Amino acid sequence: KAGVTQTPRYLIKTRGQQVTLSCSPISGHRSVSWYQQTPGQGLQFLFEYFSETQRNKGNFPGRFSGRQFSNSRSEMNVSTLELGDSALYLCASSLDGPRSYNEQFFGPGTRLTVL
Amino acid sequence: KQEVTQIPAALSVPEGENLVLNCSFTDSAIYNLQWFRQDPGKGLTSLLLIQSSQREQTSGRLNASLDKSSGRSTLYIAASQPGDSATYLCAPQGSGNTGKLIFGQGTTLQVKP
Repeated sequence: KAGVTQTPRYLIKTRGQQVTLSCSPISGHRSVSWYQQTPGQGLQFLFEYFSETQRNKGNFPGRFSGRQFSNSRSEMNVSTLELGDSALYLCASSLDGPRSYNEQFFGPGTRLTVL
Repeated sequence: KQEVTQIPAALSVPEGENLVLNCSFTDSAIYNLQWFRQDPGKGLTSLLLIQSSQREQTSGRLNASLDKSSGRSTLYIAASQPGDSATYLCAPQGSGNTGKLIFGQGTTLQVKP
């Protein structure tokens, strides 16, 4: 079974632009979560989607948004990019079923650099 | 608000040593706790998941324990190898916030040949 995939793997943008990152969960997984990882702040939770609905949200500004499609694939969007948005963005999926205990499986990440 | 602390922040040991990584969390109302490893610039690999009702979980040379009431978990690595060099992260998942993991800063382990 294929793991969580994220595209693109690397991205370079300039301040003020917007960016869209994509995540394909493990087949059959219904929950997708997004995290931002920076050297200073570590791993921080952005949001979680389940059945196309945002179920949890972290403390990030409204420039960060996401969505989930009917096939459970998810995208996150960052508008008006700032230098501080440079980070590794990680996506995780889980089965979210009665015997899965919500074990989270992570993708390889998208490295975003904002110049 | 859940806060996670991992001690030590960094650890360097010779190959073959047994070692213990510590994780403490402030809110004991957790659904489960996962341990991950992360290699530089890579994603996270799930090592072990302990359900809130369990005391420990084992996988190969790894053993994780959970004391929910005191807000502590430990990861024991037996007979360490250079391939174990990585950053180890623990992440509790709140009982009311499934799908949301709270991470500590991790323990960076170096195992010298």
